[in-house]
Formats: sequence, C-alpha cells, structure tokens
Amino acid sequence: EAGVAQSPRYKIIEKRQSVAFWCNPISGHATLYWYQQILGQGPKLLIQFQNNGVVDDSQLPKDRFSAERLKGVDSTLKIQPAKLEDSAVYLCASSLVAGADEKLFFGSGTQLSVL
Amino acid sequence: QQPVQSPQAVILREGEDAVINCSSSKALYSVHWYRQKHGEAPVFLMILLKGGEQKGHDKISASFNEKKQQSSLYLTASQLSYSGTYFCGTERSNFGNEKLTFGTGTRLTIIP
Repeated sequence: EAGVAQSPRYKIIEKRQSVAFWCNPISGHATLYWYQQILGQGPKLLIQFQNNGVVDDSQLPKDRFSAERLKGVDSTLKIQPAKLEDSAVYLCASSLVAGADEKLFFGSGTQLSVL
Repeated sequence: QQPVQSPQAVILREGEDAVINCSSSKALYSVHWYRQKHGEAPVFLMILLKGGEQKGHDKISASFNEKKQQSSLYLTASQLSYSGTYFCGTERSNFGNEKLTFGTGTRLTIIP
C-alpha cells in the first residue's frame, strides 16, 4: 500500500516569511497528525485530526501556525510568520482510527530551515 | 508529561544485546516503540497495552511494567540494521483524544 506522502522534502526560508507543508495520508485512514521534531528531540504533536475535525491542537502555536483538513483526506500545515525556532522536521502521520492501540504511519517529513 | 528514556546513546558491537528503558511519572495505558534512521521517518515496532503480555518479534521484544510505569525494549544479538534512534511514545488512556507523547530518544549504533 502507498505510504504517507509529504511535500516538499526540504524548505529554506527567511524569518518572517510564510511556508506551507502538504500531507496525503494512507487511503482510508481517518486520523491525521502533524508532529514537529527539533534536532535531537522526539516528535512533538502539534495537531490531531479525526476526519476533518480537530481532536487536539493544544500544542499548536496558534498565533503563527494553522492547519486544515477540509475534505477529511489531505492536510496542509502553514506557518506565518516563521521564526528561527521553527527550524525542525515536520512529520505527518496517519492511523486507521484514533486509539491507544493504533500504530502510526509516518511520512518522510519536511525539513524546514529558517534563516 | 514527556517520558524519560535511558540511556541517551549506546554503541554496541554486532551480536551484542541492548536494553532501552522508558519511564513515566504518570500512570500509563499504552507504550509504543518506534525506530528512526537518520533522515527517515519513524517506523513502528510494537505497542504494549495495560494488562497485556510481553511482545516481541524476531530478536526485538519489549515489556511493560504498569505498576512502575516503565517499559523496556530488548534487542538481542543486534544486527547492523538495528542502528538508529529508538523512541518510546506513551498514552495515559484509551480515549481517542489522548495524544501520544514521545520521549527524547535513544541513539543506538551497531558497529561490525
């Protein structure tokens, strides 16, 4: 089966610019996650969708980050304006449903460098 | 609350055994284990649920001590392909809105 697709693979921007990342989860997966992984750290959940509804966005810096999953399939994460500390790998993951026994399938991520 | 992993890094020779620990200060319902190779996506290894049994496949297994809120990942007779960073992820309940919180990782390097 096809995996989680993400684009772009790499992005370099200057601070205060905006950037957007795209994710297409595995077909049929209802739950979609965006994680931020800073170098040397574990992934940190930014936002979790169940179909096109938000389940958890408690760790999303809402003054600059936004995400949507309009048709319950693919998703876009946006940062506007970017800060130096936003440099990280942004991972998208999906699971069949939400639950403690559901394994996550990750995409290859988008590596963002903010200069 | 982020789980704590130990050790932070370990270097082994091919064929040696490794144990990676994950502990939490809160009661846990589940522990997930993932492996991430440099520049790649994390890949699922296994999930252990509260009340469940020790799991394993091939030479990688894990245990979950609910009372101590700890999990351990065991890699026996390690192979070069086992190199990577291992993350545990924990959940405190079975509710769908419970988020998976990852530890800081353990970097495992296997040398020939």
